[in-house]
Amino acid sequence: DAGITQSPRYKITETGRQVTLMCHQTWSHSYMFWYRQDLGHGLRLIYYSAAADITDKGEVPDGYVVSRSKTENFPLTLESATRSQTSVYFCASTPTGGSYEQYFGPGTRLTVT
Amino acid sequence: DQQVKQNSPSLSVQEGRISILNCDYTNSMFDYFLWYKKYPAEGPTFLISISSIKDKNEDGRFTVFLNKSAKHLSLHIVPSQPGDSAVYFCAASPNSGGSNYKLTFGKGTLLTVNP
Repeated sequence: DAGITQSPRYKITETGRQVTLMCHQTWSHSYMFWYRQDLGHGLRLIYYSAAADITDKGEVPDGYVVSRSKTENFPLTLESATRSQTSVYFCASTPTGGSYEQYFGPGTRLTVT
Repeated sequence: DQQVKQNSPSLSVQEGRISILNCDYTNSMFDYFLWYKKYPAEGPTFLISISSIKDKNEDGRFTVFLNKSAKHLSLHIVPSQPGDSAVYFCAASPNSGGSNYKLTFGKGTLLTVNP
């Protein structure tokens, strides 16, 4: 199906473990984004990517790593998960040349115990 | 420093009445504004936007007003329906080159429309 998908939808992991959240879009949008949503903070940008192999930090990048070897995929890795990274993570994408509307995936709820 | 502020965490209105959600911004470089709606366990979905060259944009029951001098925008929903109950996020972007299409979001306002 066309659109933007995230996997897994729910994940429980232990402190110190590495975990990767996947994001896949079928529109060939140039820009992709990772946000986290926390109570009292709204949506905060973690990392974004302008194209394959081009990534940059957002507002809260510490503890996260991203890569983008293909236009359609933008995985987010927590190298050593901490309890403060318990959150809901959203991936989004937008094409260049259009409006600034971003299209969001359904989210991944991550719990770090 | 929070650049996009939604000072009301929640709002409750009766079905059929008007809902007014407010948003203030501090960065004078912002010149494109969007509203998103978010239901529980779903991703945010785009609702309506406005460019700084306009002061009003309307789409059905939804109207966004922009007051650039006050750095304030508002979303009006008329008439409100129970299905409008959701969290509403205000977002802003500098529409000039170099913005990288990034959006800055407010913390959101939970709207509850009571039947």
